[in-house]
Parts: sequence; structure tokens; C-alpha cells
Amino acid sequence: NAGVTQTPKFRILKIGQSMTLQCAQDMNHNYMYWYRQDPGMGLKLIYYSVGAGITDKGEVPNGYNVSRSTTEDFPLRLELAAPSQTSVYFCASSHETGTGEVKLFFGSGTQLSVL
Amino acid sequence: QQQVKQSPQSLIVQKGGISIINCAYENTAFDYFPWYQQFPGKGPALLIAIRPDVSEKKEGRFTISFNKSAKQFSLHIMDSQPGDSATYFCAASYSSWGKLQFGAGTQVVVTP
Repeated sequence: NAGVTQTPKFRILKIGQSMTLQCAQDMNHNYMYWYRQDPGMGLKLIYYSVGAGITDKGEVPNGYNVSRSTTEDFPLRLELAAPSQTSVYFCASSHETGTGEVKLFFGSGTQLSVL
Repeated sequence: QQQVKQSPQSLIVQKGGISIINCAYENTAFDYFPWYQQFPGKGPALLIAIRPDVSEKKEGRFTISFNKSAKQFSLHIMDSQPGDSATYFCAASYSSWGKLQFGAGTQVVVTP
């Protein structure tokens, strides 16, 4: 199993450009998430999805959009990139284990710089 | 505003020593408290987790201590090894959700 796969690994954008960060999982997880990680700030939730066709905002959704047309894929769209969106982006997926413990499986991240 | 406050920001421990990382939370609705371990260039990985109905959970050399009245929980790494050198994040959520509130992270360096 590949787990959670993110592409690209690195990207440099100019201010105002747009791009899509790709995320795919092969574990048949219903739940998927996008987090961003900034130095000294931990990870913050951008958007999440509880299943195909269902998405909702997290803590820091402004400037981003998502879609979930299949169980496997959860792309994150940046419109009109801004320097404040310079960050490392992590996609994750999960299923509930039945014991009340939720284990998130993270991808390796996309390092994005907006200049 | 950080809903989960983590300290210290970094720590250095000798091989064989004990690493202790502390976290505090405000929201009493949180009912699931995981710890994640992250190596450079990788995504975080679940290390150990606890629910507030127990005061301690141990898995190998890793132990979570939980103090519900103080709204604090901590990670103890016993017999620290160089391979434990990583960044550790505490987190909290409602109803075992994957919508986690993360602490700022602690970089642990274990010297040989």
C-alpha cells in the first residue's frame, strides 16, 4: 500500500498564481484532511471531508478550496496565491478504529513558497 | 489563539535519559489526546493516544500522563535513544475526531 500520496513535493509560485495540490489515498478511508504547518505553530486544519461529495471548512480555510469527487482523491486548490500561504501542506486520511481511537495517516507533505 | 499549549519548544537529552513534554488545554469538551511524532521531511505519525477516563497509558518506552482536573497531559520518553530525535506534537479533539488542535511542537534531540 502506498498510503497517502501527495504531489508535488516542492513548488514555487508567484503572487497571484493558482495551483492544485494533489492528494490520493489507497486505504479506502472515508475521512480526509488538509493541514498546513508553519514553523513554531503546529498544524492547522484547512479543510476536511467525511466522504465523497462532502467537504467542510476547518480552522484556516480562507484562500483555499477543495473537492471530493471520489473516496481516493482530495485535491486542495489555491486561488490567487499570497505570501501568507507559504507553508508546508499535509494531506491526511483516517478511519475510526472502533475503539474510539482515530489514527491519521499523513502524506509526506508539499513545501510551497509564494514569492 | 493556540487551544493546546505545548512546552518546551525544544529539549536536548542524553541517551538513556528521560524526555518530558507537557501540554495544556482549555476546552473541557476535548476528549481525545494523541501524540504525533514527526521526522524531518516526513508527515507526522501517531505515536500514542489517551482518553480522559484514564490517567496514564504506556506503550513501550512512551507514556502519556493525563491530569483532567489540571487540564494537562504529558509525554514521557523513557530510556531515550538517538532514533527518538524528532519533533513531537500533542493534539486534542472532540469525540475522537480527526479534526485535531495541535500544539506548537517540541524538537527533541537525543545525544549519543
